[in-house]
Amino acid sequence: AQSVTQLDSQVPVFEEAPVELRCNYSSSVSVYLFWYVQYPNQGLQLLLKYLSGSTLVKSINGFEAEFNKSQTSFHLRKPSVHISDTAEYFCAVSDVINQGGKLIFGQGTELSVKP
Amino acid sequence: DGGITQSPKYLFRKEGQNVTLSCEQNLNHDAMYWYRQDPGQGLRLIYYSQIVNDFQKGDIAEGYSVSREKKESFPLTVTSAQKNPTAFYLCASSILRGGRMQPQHFGDGTRLSIL
Repeated sequence: AQSVTQLDSQVPVFEEAPVELRCNYSSSVSVYLFWYVQYPNQGLQLLLKYLSGSTLVKSINGFEAEFNKSQTSFHLRKPSVHISDTAEYFCAVSDVINQGGKLIFGQGTELSVKP
Repeated sequence: DGGITQSPKYLFRKEGQNVTLSCEQNLNHDAMYWYRQDPGQGLRLIYYSQIVNDFQKGDIAEGYSVSREKKESFPLTVTSAQKNPTAFYLCASSILRGGRMQPQHFGDGTRLSIL
């Protein structure tokens, strides 16, 4: 069965510092991978996705993630964070053989950016 | 603007009462999903539907029921059999295109509490 592990439940960081949010998955088949961001009392917004092609994917607001098949990882990085990046981040996986578009989510990582 | 509308934003349930959470989408998406979010546990799938008049149980369907009479609508009923209903409920939708995964879009959620 598929599963997703986000290794850090909370990540505090100072503004303008780099950050990495870790995500590992387990699956016996090829996968699609996603990062979503959630601001307080709101739904989830898609941050970036890996479906195929280049293993390095980037968002418009400076985040990037790299699909590493051998390490079954999809870590999220940003070289310099802003106060506005404070939110909860969820990693999610779906197998390529589409089971109705079902997603399996990690437990979430709370990113707290301090001035 | 196209999107997913969940209502109400806050809901209170009395003992022994069934309550229904509304989810409407105008994105013309095929599939719709209901998730439950609890602190530190990520999102867990309750029910999903790929097509009108058909739906499947997710990982935690007990105590919940759904219907899909229209493509745009996927209401969730939290029955009195659900003994711990206090949570944040999120509805999502996605396109199902030839078996290829498309990202899910989320509503802003309904927070359900016990009176």
